[in-house]
Amino acid sequence: AQTVTQSQPEMSVQEAETVTLSCTYDTSESDYYLFWYKQPPSRQMILVIRQEAYKQQNATENRFSVNFQKAAKSFSLKISDSQLGDAAMYFCAYISGGSNYKLTFGKGTLLTVNP
Amino acid sequence: DTEVTQTPKHLVMGMTNKKSLKCEQHMGHRAMYWYKQKAKKPPELMFVYSYEKLSINESVPSRFSPECPNSSLLNLHLHALQPEDSALYLCASSQEGHPSYEQYFGPGTRLTVT
Repeated sequence: AQTVTQSQPEMSVQEAETVTLSCTYDTSESDYYLFWYKQPPSRQMILVIRQEAYKQQNATENRFSVNFQKAAKSFSLKISDSQLGDAAMYFCAYISGGSNYKLTFGKGTLLTVNP
Repeated sequence: DTEVTQTPKHLVMGMTNKKSLKCEQHMGHRAMYWYKQKAKKPPELMFVYSYEKLSINESVPSRFSPECPNSSLLNLHLHALQPEDSALYLCASSQEGHPSYEQYFGPGTRLTVT
């Protein structure tokens, strides 16, 4: 079974600084997708960024980028120029490329942004 | 419109009550999901509907009964719940056909069982 591990239950960052959230996963599959979802307090969970396992290039979405190390099964999220609105719980998630709609989530990292 | 709506926002029910949660999307998505989320925990998948047919049931107790009346609507019928069922219930939807498609989440229904 696939597992996703987020080893940092909580992180904090100063506004305008950069922070990196860690995620590792375990799978025997070669076809899969990885996601970072953000869940602000009392607000909807939204997708931040996704990575296809077959792509070597790291995904980037504005201030958000990932460091995808397939051999190491590592998928970290870098947030640059942190803003107060980035404060949220961040979940790393995995999904198999087979016909399966089950997202496997990590336990989450609670990010605090200090002004 | 990239919105998934859920009603009610909050629900308090006794252990003998019967209630229903409702979820709606108008994005043309054909896959819809129910998740249960406890405080400070990740969402746990309960059910997946694909083309209005139940395709995944994660061994959920029968006191939770899902229903997909059409491609835009998803209900979760609740009966004889236990206090430990108190949680945030999230609905999500995605395009059918490929697991890489983003799941769009609703704001959730916060359920309290007394």
